[in-house]
Amino acid sequence: DSGVTQTPKHLITATGQRVTLRCSPRSGDLSVYWYQQSLDQGLQFLIQYYNGEERAKGNILERFSAQQFPDLHSELNLSSLELGDSALYFCASSPSGTYNEQFFGPGTRLTVL
Amino acid sequence: AQSVTQLGSHVSVSEGALVLLRCNYSSSVPPYLFWYVQYPNQGLQLLLKYTTGATLVKGINGFEAEFKKSETSFHLTKPSAHMSDAAEYFCAVRNRNRDDKIIFGKGTRLHILP
Repeated sequence: DSGVTQTPKHLITATGQRVTLRCSPRSGDLSVYWYQQSLDQGLQFLIQYYNGEERAKGNILERFSAQQFPDLHSELNLSSLELGDSALYFCASSPSGTYNEQFFGPGTRLTVL
Repeated sequence: AQSVTQLGSHVSVSEGALVLLRCNYSSSVPPYLFWYVQYPNQGLQLLLKYTTGATLVKGINGFEAEFKKSETSFHLTKPSAHMSDAAEYFCAVRNRNRDDKIIFGKGTRLHILP
């Protein structure tokens, strides 16, 4: 158990819909990262937040957005969903400092029908 | 730009044989280096990391990796494979800038043959 929690574990929805994925980082970790993992694209970095502010952006679509709240939990919002958005979405957290690895949550499996 | 190359998207070894998973990075300055493992239907778990000091790093489950600056490599090894080692393995790098993001390789799926 990494200490990072993600809800829900599974999500099935239809094209055109909007969903919200939630992540609670490890206690004390200020950084939260979101990743998308699919068979064809592999593990893709989407976005990073540090203490409530966006720190880095990766391959995140304009239909996707995220935020980190004052209690440090984070939400990833996916809208106008397409079949190709079906994937595993991971959240990871890390402490501030120089040697930090990332601790991954168990993921949310999104299926768009 | 920083990049990570993992040679071989699939590697098969017999149970009890040596495991060698290859990772090369591109960076003008040696980065921090990581190996993660992902078991089926689970998140990624840190196996080991190199930050500074001794270039041979020991991790969990009997794995180790050696940082070779001259070869820009960080290959993962285990002397004797076990069936439970079947998983996907990701090499990752991070610049030595505070809070910079981690770049992951495409992963290598390790198959263990009985």
